[in-house]
Parts: sequence; C-alpha cells; structure tokens
Amino acid sequence: DTGVSQNPRHKITKRGQNVTFRCDPISEHNRLYWYRQTLGQGPEFLTYFQNEAQLEKSRLLSDRFSAERPKGSFSTLEIQRTEQGDSAMYLCASTPVAGTGANYGYTFGSGTRLTVV
Amino acid sequence: GDSVTQMEGPVTLSEEAFLTINCTYTATGYPSLFWYVQYPGEGLQLLLKATKADDKGSNKGFEATYRKETTSFHLEKGSVQVSDSAVYFCALSQPGTYKYIFGTGTRLKVLA
Repeated sequence: DTGVSQNPRHKITKRGQNVTFRCDPISEHNRLYWYRQTLGQGPEFLTYFQNEAQLEKSRLLSDRFSAERPKGSFSTLEIQRTEQGDSAMYLCASTPVAGTGANYGYTFGSGTRLTVV
Repeated sequence: GDSVTQMEGPVTLSEEAFLTINCTYTATGYPSLFWYVQYPGEGLQLLLKATKADDKGSNKGFEATYRKETTSFHLEKGSVQVSDSAVYFCALSQPGTYKYIFGTGTRLKVLA
C-alpha cells in the first residue's frame, strides 16, 4: 500500500484550457474526497464519493468543475475553461468503509498544484 | 456557519522551546476537533483528535484539550525539535458528516 497517489504533482496551464487531475486512493478505502487549498488558506471541501456515487458537492464546485469515480476506484477532477482564480493545490483523501466519517481521519495525497497563467 | 480560527504564523522557536498554537472554533452542537500537520512536500497527516468536551488528544509529544467553555483546542508541545517544522491545521467535523472545516494553518519554524 503506497498511500493516496495524485497525478500530476504540478500542472501549469493557460487560461481557458481544460485540465484533469487523477487520484488513486488506498485500495480498500471506499470513500474519496476532493479539497482545494489556496495560498495562505486551509483546505476547503469540494466533493466526496462513496464508491462510485458522488454524495455531496460544495457550492465551490462551479459548473466548470466535474469529478468522477467511474468504478469506485480512482477519481478524476476536471476543470474546464480554467481561470486564474482556479490556481490552487487540489487535494485528494480517502477513508475506509469502517469508521465514522471524518472522525476516523483522512489519508491525504500530496496534492496537485495548479497554476493558471 | 461553522468556522475555525488559528493564530497567524509563522511561529519561530528555538529547539527544546515550549510550543502553543491557538485554535478557537465556532460551531453548533458538539463537533469533533482535530489537528493535522503538513510537512514540506507532503500531504496532510492526522496528528491528534478529540471527539467530546474535556477529551485530550495526544500524539508524538503533542497534546490538545477540547474546551467547550472556551471553544478552544490549543496545540501544545513541551519541547519542540527541528523536525517539527511544518504547517499545522486545526479542523472540526460535525457528527455524521464526512467533511472538515479547516483553519488557515500556522507555520512553525524550529531553529537548531
């Protein structure tokens, strides 16, 4: 078990381009979470999945953002028509089926740093 | 809505000094409280947690006590090491939910 893996680690894109990030959770974890962390701020919740079902989305997740977890394993987060305000660290985390949600404690990946120029 | 407020950093200490990082929260009901730590280039790691009032969470020499009366969860360590240099995040979670509300983080620098 290598923990939660996120790719790429860094992404620089031009404004208006689409980008996609990937997260591979710990294999036996059925819950997967996406957070966004801007400079000088704490992580902010974006969305979470239980298996392949997306159960909650934050109002931060505008129409340009879409997340999927098609087979209940890895997840992708796509941002369409990127804007400079999308520049941030995008964090993925997972938790096992046992436990009581956030009380269990997440295992976070190292994140994908997006820079929109 | 719920929120978490942390003291601003950076906090710079000499090795073996005493550490306090203040955290206060605003929330309805009885949230659980957490400290996460982020070392350079790594993901956030759960450091400690407390799920009810007067609980003390502890790990790796760090401690924090859930104080309902002052809505606080201050992080303390008696003797810091250079390896403790990191960003520390205070967070809360409401029972039955799957998400955190994080504070803005406090950067700790420990000098040899």
